[in-house]
Amino acid sequence: AQSVTQLDSHVSVSEGTPVLLRCNYSSSYSPSLFWYVQHPNKGLQLLLKYTSAATLVKGINGFEAEFKKSETSFHLTKPSAHMSDAAEYFCVVSDGTGGFKTIFGAGTRLFVKA
Amino acid sequence: GAVVSQHPSRVICKSGTSVKIECRSLDFQATTMFWYRQFPKKSLMLMATSNEGSKATYEQGVEKDKFLINHASLTLSTLTVTSAHPEDSSFYICSAKTSGGRGETQYFGPGTRLLVL
Repeated sequence: AQSVTQLDSHVSVSEGTPVLLRCNYSSSYSPSLFWYVQHPNKGLQLLLKYTSAATLVKGINGFEAEFKKSETSFHLTKPSAHMSDAAEYFCVVSDGTGGFKTIFGAGTRLFVKA
Repeated sequence: GAVVSQHPSRVICKSGTSVKIECRSLDFQATTMFWYRQFPKKSLMLMATSNEGSKATYEQGVEKDKFLINHASLTLSTLTVTSAHPEDSSFYICSAKTSGGRGETQYFGPGTRLLVL
């Protein structure tokens, strides 16, 4: 069985400071992991994905995430927050078996203060 | 990256009417498409998975007679909300993926906001 837990429902940072959005997962198989961003009343945009290649994954807009199997984590980071980063972020796990089951985390709302 | 479109982006309808939402993959062939529902300030809930040319697989608790899904071609899937009621008001998002392998990415449409009066 798969599950994904986003440890913070809300994160607030000041512009120019680092961002850390935490995600833990469980999967019966080697998972594929994704981070998506959703701006208000918009669809989802893929930030980055991990598919068993390099454990440190670089995405768009300066975001990156590190897959840590021992900790079953896939935290999303960015060195310096920008006002435009304010949005909802979803961590997603998929094991690619059978019907390609995809499970979404509950989401983390990122607030960026000027 | 791959582009998925949805039409309409917003729809308002009267209770009891049916609404059709289209999901298209614009620059790739999507063997599998997914339909999600998102309630305000909530995560996405998978409603069903549709494979081209076959019947959709619905998640537990989703009424297949209420939410009709058709995936007639490799670039088009439709979701019809039949006899819509105010509780069906929601944000509906589709996604599409290409065939083959593990870890292939889902590409999401921009969503359709449905309001049932």
